[in-house]
Amino acid sequence: NAGVTQTPKFRVLKTGQSMTLLCAQDMNHEYMYWYRQDPGMGLRLIHYSVGEGTTAKGEVPDGYNVSRLKKQNFLLGLESAAPSQTSVYFCASRPTGAFYGYTFGSGTRLTVV
Amino acid sequence: GIQVEQSPPDLILQEGANSTLRCNFSDSVNNLQWFHQNPWGQLINLFYIPSGTKQNGRLSATTVATERYSLLYISSSQTTDSGVYFCAGYNNNDMRFGAGTRLTVKP
Repeated sequence: NAGVTQTPKFRVLKTGQSMTLLCAQDMNHEYMYWYRQDPGMGLRLIHYSVGEGTTAKGEVPDGYNVSRLKKQNFLLGLESAAPSQTSVYFCASRPTGAFYGYTFGSGTRLTVV
Repeated sequence: GIQVEQSPPDLILQEGANSTLRCNFSDSVNNLQWFHQNPWGQLINLFYIPSGTKQNGRLSATTVATERYSLLYISSSQTTDSGVYFCAGYNNNDMRFGAGTRLTVKP
């Protein structure tokens, strides 16, 4: 049981570079989420998906894009990284209707220099 | 707007002490949950508690939905309880988090 797997775990980017963070879940969950966590703050929602082929904006979507081409994968893209995007990124998933069934990945620590 | 506010922001305890963490939430928030983030960054569900009281070992939680607050009780704290405790609530399809309470339990 892998649960929610995030890759990579660490990454350093230069300003203006692009990258994609991958979130994979093997629990057949419909809902998937991307959050960012900054020091002294709670997690803030970037984008989410309620099923394969769907995406929606969260609280802080600017500068990010997402895709959910397969049910088990949720990709977060940074087209032109900025220092303000230095953060720890968490992916989560849950089954439909089960608000208690949240499972988080272990996080990706991204530094933009 | 949507608000989830936690107090205190920081808490330092001696091992064996008890503590109460508080979460206040706005009208548009429901389906409240408590999470623990350990010192290695892993987030773990503690309680799903939209209302009422639940207990799990030394931890228990109470949500009074009509008064828009939830409490997390930690009894006989241990060093392994250290980390950040978050409450979070739903607004439509997404979950909004409070800023957390950082708990340090000293041996």
